[in-house]
Amino acid sequence: SQQGEEDPQALSIQEGENATMNCSYKTSINNLQWYRQNSGRGLVHLILIRSNEREKHSGRLRVTLDTSKKSSSLLITASRAADTASYFCATNGGYSTLTFGKGTMLLVSP
Amino acid sequence: DADVTQTPRNRITKTGKRIMLECSQTKGHDRMYWYRQDPGLGLRLIYYSFDVKDINKGEISDGYSVSRQAQAKFSLSLESAIPNQTALYFCATAWGAEPYNEQFFGPGTRLTVL
Repeated sequence: SQQGEEDPQALSIQEGENATMNCSYKTSINNLQWYRQNSGRGLVHLILIRSNEREKHSGRLRVTLDTSKKSSSLLITASRAADTASYFCATNGGYSTLTFGKGTMLLVSP
Repeated sequence: DADVTQTPRNRITKTGKRIMLECSQTKGHDRMYWYRQDPGLGLRLIYYSFDVKDINKGEISDGYSVSRQAQAKFSLSLESAIPNQTALYFCATAWGAEPYNEQFFGPGTRLTVL
């Protein structure tokens, strides 16, 4: 069963706007990761945040983690058409496996 | 050259046929994974392996088997394919001590079972 659930399922914005996606999960985690998937292609790792971290940045990406609420958010600032993709959160419970959510489809229009 | 490769990239087969999907990696990673992706369902783990001779079932292993022939190769077999195994299949690799577990994905195999 999926551990993470992304919200919204789909998001449509204009270039230059910010995109925020949320992920909720059910059990305790060691870390949470975000991946991007361009249509029909393999997933690409974006960022990892450990359970003892609250916020992390990577370029235009900002990830927050609230373990008390069992939730995370991914913010993409100044979105570009090339950011159009599906975004997945994945949780790691301390073992060598990840549990993926169902994803958020982001459409960035020029 | 891609670090994680999958063959074939596309396959159409008939119900009851035996199918093998292959994954090779040049990253030197010890951990390898097989997932399937269905529209709207995200990725679900089928099998994973931490080393040669180490095989572990994932969430949805029924109807599938795997073989870890070498550190660099991990094959997924469908012994008797059925239509609900139509999906996009991904291989992934990982390395590193716990809890660091970033995974690197192959390009996927699109399988259609008629």
